[in-house]
Order: sequence, then C-alpha cells, then structure tokens
Amino acid sequence: GENVEQHPSTLSVQEGDSAVIKCTYSDSASNYFPWYKQELGKRPQLIIDIRSNVGEKKDQRIAVTLNKTAKHFSLHITETQPEDSAVYFCAAPANQAGTALIFGKGTTLSVSS
Amino acid sequence: DSGVTQTPKHLITATGQRVTLRCSPRSGDLSVYWYQQSLDQGLQFLIQYYNGEERAKGNILERFSAQQFPDLHSELNLSSLELGDSALYFCASSATGDSVGYTFGSGTRLTVV
Repeated sequence: GENVEQHPSTLSVQEGDSAVIKCTYSDSASNYFPWYKQELGKRPQLIIDIRSNVGEKKDQRIAVTLNKTAKHFSLHITETQPEDSAVYFCAAPANQAGTALIFGKGTTLSVSS
Repeated sequence: DSGVTQTPKHLITATGQRVTLRCSPRSGDLSVYWYQQSLDQGLQFLIQYYNGEERAKGNILERFSAQQFPDLHSELNLSSLELGDSALYFCASSATGDSVGYTFGSGTRLTVV
C-alpha cells in the first residue's frame, strides 16, 4: 500500500518569508495529491491539490509542485502571514479497492511577526 | 460548516466501556471514511464505506467496528476502551469512492479515563 513521508515535522519562519514542505510517496500509480491545513482544534481543510498530469499548480500565495519521476511533491507558501500558522498534511490515495487518503505525519508551521 | 456532521463533539468515558460515534456525510456523498488522530500523531485511516458496503480497511483494531446505514450515515463503534484510545476521531465524505473532494467533519474528541 501507499506510504507517505513528510518533512520537516516543524518549520518556523518570519512573516514575509517563504515556507516549503516536502512529501514523498511510494506507489507510482498514485495520481492525486492534496494538501490539508489544520488549525488548532479544528478539522483538516483542503487548501490545494494536484493531479499527476500536471507539474505545478498555484492559488494565490500557495503552490504545489509534483515530480512523478522522483515520487515527491511539495507545498510552497510565499509571503507567509501569522494566520498561515497551522499543521499542514500531505496525502496520497491508498490505491486499494477503496480510495482512502493516506496522510503524512504533518508539519507544524509557525509564522512569527 | 463543511456539511459533514459528527456527533457527539466530546465524549468522556471509562476504560472497558463501549461508545458509538456518528457521522452524517454531505448531502449526495456516498463514501464515508473514518480517521483517528492521537496527540502529536497524524491522521490514521481506519475504515471506508461506500454506499453501505465496506470498501477498505486501514489500521483499525479488532475492538473497533463500523457500519454505514441505508440513509448513508455511518457509526464507528469502539469497545473495551483503553486509555490509548483517547483521540480525535474524524470522519470525511466524498461524492464517489474517489479521494477528490474529501471533506472532513469537525471530529469527536474521545477521552478515556
């Protein structure tokens, strides 16, 4: 089954800096890679996703890049703001008969002003 | 409001007891997924149901079981509870069995004392 590794586990940046979180996956058949943001005490919420037929996708200050050959994908946040502070999770489909998402262990991002 | 409803929001119970967590998916969604999130842990996939049938199993203990009813709501039953079962339990739903459009509920926080 799919295995998703996420790094770093914690990331501290100054407001206005960029932040990059990286994930690797094991199953070359995986074709969908979402990123979720979870604020303290809240539910995980989808912030951006990418399918395997594109290499990059942007939405305002966030972007995701995918390298299928190396089996890794990354989340890029530019011009970070204090409200970006949260735990970020990457995920990939389990590729079993069902299509449950398997999540990385998360990255705690702290943005200080 | 994500449209995925979980009840109760909080639950405190003693070791050895049994509890039932409930999830109502978004209107029109056929798939329900259950996840466990322990302190400092990521989102561990437990089980998936699609249109009333079990579709995939993850790291679900034998003491745990689930079902999806004809009206598509799902229940997660946890029995012989141990202190280590204390966690946030999330359900998510999607329109088909596809990982795309995965939306989480607000979770049930279970505390075993």
